[in-house]
Amino acid sequence: DSGVTQTPKHLITATGQRVTLRCSPRSGDLSVYWYQQSLDQGLQFLIHYYNGEERAKGNILERFSAQQFPDLHSELNLSSLELGDSALYFCASSHPQGLGYGYTFGSGTRLTVV
Amino acid sequence: AQTVTQSQPEMSVQEAETVTLSCTYDTSENNYYLFWYKQPPSRQMILVIRQEAYKQQNATENRFSVNFQKAAKSFSLKISDSQLGDTAMYFCAFGGGSNYKLTFGKGTLLTVNP
Repeated sequence: DSGVTQTPKHLITATGQRVTLRCSPRSGDLSVYWYQQSLDQGLQFLIHYYNGEERAKGNILERFSAQQFPDLHSELNLSSLELGDSALYFCASSHPQGLGYGYTFGSGTRLTVV
Repeated sequence: AQTVTQSQPEMSVQEAETVTLSCTYDTSENNYYLFWYKQPPSRQMILVIRQEAYKQQNATENRFSVNFQKAAKSFSLKISDSQLGDTAMYFCAFGGGSNYKLTFGKGTLLTVNP
């Protein structure tokens, strides 16, 4: 157990629907990062939150949104889902002392859009 | 923007032998961090080793070591005494600059054969 908790582990939904992925960072970590891993792609950065505030945005579609709550858990909302959104979505957190310690990843949410 | 290139999509090695995975990166930053992550079939992302750019000494973690060539912007991973459990996708990652985002390469699939 890495200490980063992601739920659910698997999600199957239909095109056009909306889903919410949840992440709790490792105890003491203030940052949460969301990444998307598709079959033929590496890990694509979506968004970074630090202590409730958005810090950086990557290639995140307008149909996707995220937030980090006061208890530091984060949710990634995906709406108007398309087949191409099927992917493994990772959440990660980082040590408060900085990036030098790297990320700790959750086990991911496997999203399948049918 | 930083880029990370892993030029070997797939590699294989015999058990107990040594293998080296290549990674190059491009950045204008002077202070940064480099990482190797392992993703086994379970899909969990596991930190293997990290290197701070200002340290000239190459990092080592048990059977894993890196060859960090800052001027050449090269960061290769050497796995000694390869084990079947080393079979995984290996990702090189760069972190630095004004944000805490990690940029990942597309990965190298390593297969360790008995």
